[in-house]
Amino acid sequence: SQTIHQWPATLVQPVGSPLSLECTVEGTSNPNLYWYRQAAGRGLQLLFYSVGIGQISSEVPQNLSASRPQDRQFILSSKKLLLSDSGFYLCAWIYDGNEQFFGPGTRLTVL
Amino acid sequence: AQTVTQSQPEMSVQEAETVTLSCTYDTSENNYYLFWYKQPPSRQMILVIRQEAYKQQNATENRFSVNFQKAAKSFSLKISDSQLGDTAMYFCAFMIPLVRGGGADGLTFGKGTHLIIQP
Repeated sequence: SQTIHQWPATLVQPVGSPLSLECTVEGTSNPNLYWYRQAAGRGLQLLFYSVGIGQISSEVPQNLSASRPQDRQFILSSKKLLLSDSGFYLCAWIYDGNEQFFGPGTRLTVL
Repeated sequence: AQTVTQSQPEMSVQEAETVTLSCTYDTSENNYYLFWYKQPPSRQMILVIRQEAYKQQNATENRFSVNFQKAAKSFSLKISDSQLGDTAMYFCAFMIPLVRGGGADGLTFGKGTHLIIQP
């Protein structure tokens, strides 16, 4: 069966520090992968989308970037975090039935 | 661009009651998918139910059912015999099918309804 992992689960970082969040999917090949952000009390906002290795589409201009170095690995990064980057980050992959399945998420607090 | 609107920020009902969560959306597309996701305090996003726009029959999953009104662009979720474990944020979401390039847009979410089931 397919599973999706995210780590770390929780992260507290100072303003201006770098960021690296990792997402991996098991049990499938060539998945479409997504990064979403959920700010406090709000819905989910699509950040990045990838259809394959090295292929990244950005939905929202920001100081974040994404990379897909391997088929089932999706990484969210930043060189310098801002206070506004705080939130809950969710990785998702899409299933054949057009259903998106989400990872457990990473709670990021920028101080 | 598509928009999804959930007009009820919070709802509270007694255990075993039936509750209906509202969702409206706006799109010029004719073929699309609609979803309800549940986000409990753990914050894991869990798919509750899915509706394909070309299907007239409303989707059902055990105690969960939808009332899909395509012309009105309405997609409400009914929870029957509500349980304490149903307490969560509920998000309505929209997506264009992958075969029509919908993958690039991902899911468009509403802002959510916080449902509280009282014992």
